Amino acid sequence: NAGVTQTPKFRILKIGQSMTLQCTQDMNHNYMYWYRQDPGMGLKLIYYSVGAGITDKGEVPNGYNVSRSTTEDFPLRLELAAPSQTSVYFCASPPPGPPISGSDTQYFGPGTRLTVL
Amino acid sequence: EDQVTQSPEALRLQEGESSSLNCSYTVSGLRGLFWYRQDPGKGPEFLFTLYSAGEEKEKERLKATLTKKESFLHITAPKPEDSATYLCAVYDYKLSFGAGTTVTVRA
Repeated sequence: NAGVTQTPKFRILKIGQSMTLQCTQDMNHNYMYWYRQDPGMGLKLIYYSVGAGITDKGEVPNGYNVSRSTTEDFPLRLELAAPSQTSVYFCASPPPGPPISGSDTQYFGPGTRLTVL
Repeated sequence: EDQVTQSPEALRLQEGESSSLNCSYTVSGLRGLFWYRQDPGKGPEFLFTLYSAGEEKEKERLKATLTKKESFLHITAPKPEDSATYLCAVYDYKLSFGAGTTVTVRA
């Protein structure tokens, strides 16, 4: 049980390039989230999904797209990279309902550090 | 829109010097308040869930408390390994995070 995995760990893009950040979870959870974290800031929700085939915008969706064709995968797509998208991106997949105190499950992936130059 | 404000932004403590972090929130329907610990270069690590005013949870040197408008994370006799950024989040089917408090504990 690996929890949430993300690839790549690091990436440098040029302005206007596109890329897909991969997120996979093996916990059979319905909920999956994409967050971005800028230096000194809290995590901002980009998109989320409550199940396969269902996605919805979060707080900062502009410039991103998502899809959820399977329960396991929730890729995040950047079509035209901009310097403002330089950030650390976290994928998360909590169990149904709020997290359970004492659980050892890592609900967040390790993050993808993206730089757009 | 849910809002979560954490204070202070940064906290420097001497080893053994107890202190508290604050998380104030405004949310239409709170279904839970969570505390996470985040080490540099890593994803947030879940610490506590609090559901209702008056509730308290403890883990080692950390204790989290909740009122109707805010939550506190108390660090008792901290050690250098407690140095991290502590994030607060409110849950209403999705998590809304505060900016975090970066705690540095000097030996």
